[in-house]
Amino acid sequence: GQQLNQSPQSMFIQEGEDVSMNCTSSSIFNTWLWYKQDPGEGPVLLIALYKAGELTSNGRLTAQFGITRKDSFLNISASIPSDVGIYFCAGLSTSGTYKYIFGTGTRLKVLA
Amino acid sequence: NAGVTQTPKFQVLKTGQSMTLQCAQDMNHEYMSWYRQDPGMGLRLIHYSVGAGITDQGEVPNGYNVSRSTTEDFPLRLLSAAPSQTSVYFCASNPGTRASYEQYFGPGTRLTVT
Repeated sequence: GQQLNQSPQSMFIQEGEDVSMNCTSSSIFNTWLWYKQDPGEGPVLLIALYKAGELTSNGRLTAQFGITRKDSFLNISASIPSDVGIYFCAGLSTSGTYKYIFGTGTRLKVLA
Repeated sequence: NAGVTQTPKFQVLKTGQSMTLQCAQDMNHEYMSWYRQDPGMGLRLIHYSVGAGITDQGEVPNGYNVSRSTTEDFPLRLLSAAPSQTSVYFCASNPGTRASYEQYFGPGTRLTVT
């Protein structure tokens, strides 16, 4: 099935560093969502994006809806240990059917 | 609001057994979905519903049935469990309006089929 290309797959960073990850697709989307999932828990919604070029922040997190509508980016500033987890992007298709497509996730590990 | 709730949290089945995973939301959301999550595969859509009485297939529907008799509830039925259905199952809901397609997930049901 269709999935989004999410990169990097995993990353180790030092506490206090900034983090960048992205999601790309061959299809156009009209909504992008970013989630964080902790072990044994369900994904938690971080940011929703609805317009090409839109830049939205949620605390230390900033996400952007790419102008081509085929990509999205998530940045985390000044990472802390509780940022550890898996980050997923999801795109909502414009094809008329209600189906979110998910990326395979970026696993973030923060070294104190 | 409790948000999206799922029961049970854990379940072990033998091959061939049937069961129903429960999902409920108290946010009056029109849209509800079931996903399965397998290692390295991300989240894959099983079935979804855009309102009471309306359901449709997702990416991996085989072996699963759903119904939506009320806005609040969206149960997922495994007809004859197979080891390939060992997975973590998540239910999700969203308002379904153009103003908001924010989708919220439940805590998941971890299913093992032996």
